[in-house]
Amino acid sequence: IAGITQAPTSQILAAGRRMTLRCTQDMRHNAMYWYRQDLGLGLRLIHYSNTAGTTGKGEVPDGYSVSRANTDDFPLTLASAVPSQTSVYFCASRLTTNTEAFFGQGTRLTVV
Amino acid sequence: TQLLEQSPQFLSIQEGENLTVYCNSSSVFSSLQWYRQEPGEGPVLLVTVVTGGEVKKLKRLTFQFGDARKDSSLHITAAQPGDTGLYLCAGATGGYQKVTFGTGTKLQVIP
Repeated sequence: IAGITQAPTSQILAAGRRMTLRCTQDMRHNAMYWYRQDLGLGLRLIHYSNTAGTTGKGEVPDGYSVSRANTDDFPLTLASAVPSQTSVYFCASRLTTNTEAFFGQGTRLTVV
Repeated sequence: TQLLEQSPQFLSIQEGENLTVYCNSSSVFSSLQWYRQEPGEGPVLLVTVVTGGEVKKLKRLTFQFGDARKDSSLHITAAQPGDTGLYLCAGATGGYQKVTFGTGTKLQVIP
């Protein structure tokens, strides 16, 4: 692994199902983030983590949960998917607030 | 909630033209970054500005951070088709690891 990796790359999910999007980085970055991007425009922050063991809510946290058991992994869980959660999800990490954020390739999720 | 508004939302121009993209907020940021995103990819950092009034140049791209650190602009001189993409600004507040992204500007440069 080099950088930040997301899995799966795409998924079609039935409404009501539970789904976990995976994110792993090998850069030993403290902060990690989950964003959703709709209509190919700006990113909205779902949840973030300053450091392992801590998490915080972003702009649109409802329906999503995260955990940060270690530095490298930051999974995002949809407990019961709804069609409005259809989006492209990006995971990102950065060493500190003012440094570059590195993004994964994204997960395209369709909830039907 | 810190809101970063970008304008214009969409821009289609001919190769060789100049353009400016704006990023505005009512909040003060400790730093502001500009990213470019191509279809199917994650955003990639172009520049970080941290000082009010700061100007940074990256080849044909000029970035400016407002004096009050609430706004920023990106100016592209003699645009090329390779500049096509989604441009995003992102603001960070000091003491927090929470970064807010702007609404985005989709640029198309026609050969």
